[in-house]
Amino acid sequence: QSALTQPASVSGSPGQSITISCTGTSSDIGDYTYVSWYQQHPGKAPKLLIYDGSHRPSGVSDRFSGSKSGNTASLTISGLQAEDEADYFCCSSAGSSTFVFGAGTQVTCL
Amino acid sequence: QLQLQESGPRLAKPSETLSLTCTVSGASITSGPYYWGWIRQPPGKGLEWIGNIYYSGETHHSTSLKGRVTISLDTSKNQFSLKLNSVTAADTAVYFCARGIAAAGIPFWGQGTLVTVSS
Repeated sequence: QSALTQPASVSGSPGQSITISCTGTSSDIGDYTYVSWYQQHPGKAPKLLIYDGSHRPSGVSDRFSGSKSGNTASLTISGLQAEDEADYFCCSSAGSSTFVFGAGTQVTCL
Repeated sequence: QLQLQESGPRLAKPSETLSLTCTVSGASITSGPYYWGWIRQPPGKGLEWIGNIYYSGETHHSTSLKGRVTISLDTSKNQFSLKLNSVTAADTAVYFCARGIAAAGIPFWGQGTLVTVSS
């Protein structure tokens, strides 16, 4: 189980939209819809933003959206805000009830 | 409100066994269809899925940890536990316990506990 590939960092100006990619293989992202995304601020536990590829839990801002195509999943943050500065991780089912995380992407609001 | 709290030794010696317990409040660990899992994060690095256990007792582990992992339920105490044997410095990390559902991600996490492997 190799970690999913994410860009190390993504930045944008306030109000802009940014997209974080998460690339896996046909054994994880390509084969399952169970992709989730997490936001983590320093020293805190991760927070679930997106599950099952594109669904938002109750209470998560609709500025966060998820999608998937082939072996790549994506998280888009619309209307970037200073509070969105954090690390973001993707996670995919990898078969046999196992999971794999991405290496993480640091988002900076310029 | 569901809450999870990790506990256990903060220091482990190389080659020994790391042991952590997660105490669950606000829900029974025997309630389905959830799983109870362990995720870790080495300092300054990304998240790594360790393994999980379902309410039925069925367990699943990361293959990268090469069979060093044991996860179990203690229904009498509403707790679940992690044992990681033959630890090295590479196992130094913040360890999180969590509850999830395969199709719905991991909405509930403990605060995490740093375990350092050092002699």
